[in-house]
Amino acid sequence: NAGVTQTPKFQVLKTGQSMTLQCAQDMNHNSMYWYRQDPGMGLRLIYYSASEGTTDKGEVPNGYNVSRLNKREFSLRLESAAPSQTSVYFCASSGTAENSPLHFGNGTRLTVT
Amino acid sequence: GEDVEQSLFLSVREGDSSVINCTYTDSSSTYLYWYKQEPGAGLQLLTYIFSNMDMKQDQRLTVLLNKKDKHLSLRIADTQTGDSAIYFCAETAKLQFGAGTQVVVTP
Repeated sequence: NAGVTQTPKFQVLKTGQSMTLQCAQDMNHNSMYWYRQDPGMGLRLIYYSASEGTTDKGEVPNGYNVSRLNKREFSLRLESAAPSQTSVYFCASSGTAENSPLHFGNGTRLTVT
Repeated sequence: GEDVEQSLFLSVREGDSSVINCTYTDSSSTYLYWYKQEPGAGLQLLTYIFSNMDMKQDQRLTVLLNKKDKHLSLRIADTQTGDSAIYFCAETAKLQFGAGTQVVVTP
């Protein structure tokens, strides 16, 4: 019963390096999301995908790109990491029904030096 | 996001009731949610309320919704040490979360 799986759990990058955060869900959910969590600011939506083949910007998309590879997988890419992108990143998924809650992964803790 | 606001910290003694408050701005949200986050983990859904309801009770949890004032609260009865966590309220219209309320339960 995996739910939402994120890899890696931890990552340290130097400024300017690139990396891709991976997310997969096994609940057959249509919608998937990427959030970042920063102290005192709660969760802020970076990008979301309402269905396979579509992606939309959230509140803080600058510096990020996403790919909805198939129904299961939604990846987040940092092309040129900056210290301001140091954060904990959460992937989530939800079903189609209006009251479907978000199911979260356990997060990726990213530090950019 | 600043459209959903919560107080940042609550300290409560074991056995007492906890009340966590939340205000939101977007009245088009159909559902409002409470999530719990334990250290090192993602958020887990605790409970939710439909926007045309005033109250929902689920064992030790009571959710109150004042739609006129756009105010949501979560009451935890008989608070236990296992309830120590960060609690987030969230609304569906803009997929926004509050900053989270850190609840610390003391013996």
